[in-house]
Amino acid sequence: NAGVTQTPKFQVLKTGQSMTLQCAQDMNHEYMSWYRQDPGMGLRLIHYSVGAGITDQGEVPNGYNVSRSTTEDFPLRLLSAAPSQTSVYFCASQDRGLRTDTQYFGPGTRLTVL
Amino acid sequence: LAKTTQPISMDSYEGQEVNITCSHNNIATNDYITWYQQFPSQGPRFIIQGYKTKVTNEVASLFIPADRKSSTLSLPRVSLSDTAVYYCLVGRTGGASKIIFGSGTRLSIRP
Repeated sequence: NAGVTQTPKFQVLKTGQSMTLQCAQDMNHEYMSWYRQDPGMGLRLIHYSVGAGITDQGEVPNGYNVSRSTTEDFPLRLLSAAPSQTSVYFCASQDRGLRTDTQYFGPGTRLTVL
Repeated sequence: LAKTTQPISMDSYEGQEVNITCSHNNIATNDYITWYQQFPSQGPRFIIQGYKTKVTNEVASLFIPADRKSSTLSLPRVSLSDTAVYYCLVGRTGGASKIIFGSGTRLSIRP
């Protein structure tokens, strides 16, 4: 199993550009989520999904869109990049069983918006 | 969602036992307590999870008192490689509830 994969690893954008961060998991997990982590800070939840076709907002959803057409993929789209979106983005998937609730994180995408 | 409170930072020395306490006064009956570890430039990694009393695995122990309003992560005989940020999370297993991370505890281990 590859676990959770994210692409790209690094990205530099200019203000106003749009792009999609890719996330894929091969563990057949229903629950997936996107977090951002600013330097020296904790993780903040952007959007999450409890299954294909179902998404919901987290703590900081503004400026981001998500879709979940398959169980495996959960892309995050930046509509019009702003310098405030400079951050490291982590995707996670989760086995939400009745007795275990473990999230598996990808390696992250380091995004800089100029 | 149950809010958690942890110390912002802690320091210790190699070979010592480190205990990090997390407060979660409004924990719900169905909530579990989960701890994650994060090294620089990496995503968080699951350490341990529990509901009550004591849970132990090869990495750590988790102590939860009867009222469940707090929990303590115990790392035995730490080494320099245990330097990381540790997050305490409280939430229901299963279901559709969102999972929120707090600010975590930055643990620094010195030689």
